[in-house]
Amino acid sequence: NIVMTQSPKSMSISVGDRVTMNCKASQNVYNNIAWYQQKPGQSPKLLIYYASNRYNGVPDRFTGSGYGTDFTLTINSVQAEDAAFYYCQRIYNSPDTFGAGTKLELK
Amino acid sequence: EVQLVETGGGLVQPGRSLKLSCVASGFTFSSYWMYWIRQAPGKGLEWVSSINTDGGSTYYPDSVKGRFTISRDNAENTVYLQMNSLRSEDTATYYCARSVGVWFAYWGQGTLVTVSS
Repeated sequence: NIVMTQSPKSMSISVGDRVTMNCKASQNVYNNIAWYQQKPGQSPKLLIYYASNRYNGVPDRFTGSGYGTDFTLTINSVQAEDAAFYYCQRIYNSPDTFGAGTKLELK
Repeated sequence: EVQLVETGGGLVQPGRSLKLSCVASGFTFSSYWMYWIRQAPGKGLEWVSSINTDGGSTYYPDSVKGRFTISRDNAENTVYLQMNSLRSEDTATYYCARSVGVWFAYWGQGTLVTVSS
């Protein structure tokens, strides 16, 4: 099974900062990954698909990049409403399809 | 507007069964694969099952294979998850989801299943 490893587990950032979080696949997954945001008490929301495509309505401060085994989600000028868990996911129908998540807290 | 509404969660004893339902609206249900994804309390997301458009193909991870069964009724716009031989580790919020392409673009609000004696 391909394992998705996210880092860091958590981070504390100030409003206006730029934040980068990582997702590493144990094997080549090409560009077949997505990023989701989950705020407390809410369902996850799709942010980025095929590694770098922003989903409908996602603010352009969210940017995905990477190919193969290493992927990055960058949030430029973090806003208070960005406090959430962020999960990467490789293409579905497979075990361990999601990473364990990165918790983004605001200082 | 796409809406997915899950029902059927609750407290159940280990070894017993429970059936979840997800009623869909706002799209042509029979044209889309449907999915169940769960999240244990304080934990991450785990894909649980998938079903194709006519219900003829289903998929599960090893953790639930042989115990859980996904099905759908396209006339009722509903997808089900029959869960048998429940274990404490099945305790989670269960989400119904619909894809856009191959990604989980629409999620329900979830229904909590607690397996405990």
